[in-house]
Amino acid sequence: SYELTQPPSVSVSPGQTASITCSGDKLGDKYACWYQQKPGQSPVLVIYQDSKRPSGIPERFSGSNSGNTATLTISGTQAMDEADYYCQAWDSSIYVFGTGTKVTVL
Amino acid sequence: QVQLVQSGAEVKKPGASVKVSCKASGYTFTSYDINWVRQATGQGLEWMGWMNPNSGNTGYAQKFQGRVTMTRNTSISTAYMELSSLRSEDTAVYYCARGLGYWVYWGQGTLVTVSS
Repeated sequence: SYELTQPPSVSVSPGQTASITCSGDKLGDKYACWYQQKPGQSPVLVIYQDSKRPSGIPERFSGSNSGNTATLTISGTQAMDEADYYCQAWDSSIYVFGTGTKVTVL
Repeated sequence: QVQLVQSGAEVKKPGASVKVSCKASGYTFTSYDINWVRQATGQGLEWMGWMNPNSGNTGYAQKFQGRVTMTRNTSISTAYMELSSLRSEDTAVYYCARGLGYWVYWGQGTLVTVSS
């Protein structure tokens, strides 16, 4: 079965850039999206179709996808960005989530 | 505004079945797929399957094949996810989510606890 691997944790200082990777076989051939989830809340879509931002998502969130790796970048990270982040890929009506990354803003 | 409102928490015994509902409002129910995702406490998100509310067609993750059934009642804009032969490992929050490829709208989640 298809698998997506993320680093378990990423630490970042306020105002700095956080990058979260998502690795999977030929992931660049599929569409990737990213969700943010805070404790006790439903996930929130922050990036879809590799690099598009839904309405209401700040510009500091950006995404890319090429080769075997999709990347979520948070520029100028704020304390409110501390959360778990999950990548997701979709191919032929099958969805797969990444293992998840906890972003800590120190 | 688009809303997905799920049914309340459930407590079930091992071997039983649970049926969770997801009532949609603010859009045409038959126009978008409904997906189901679950999350055990402290664990990651796990996709269970999708349903097309217009046709009733479904697709299930291999892990849940034979144990999950997704249905709908278009007259009340409600989708259902039924999971059978419950075991303790099925204790989780279950979410419905709307869309194809990516999901902007999610339900609030339904906690299903499996305990003897």
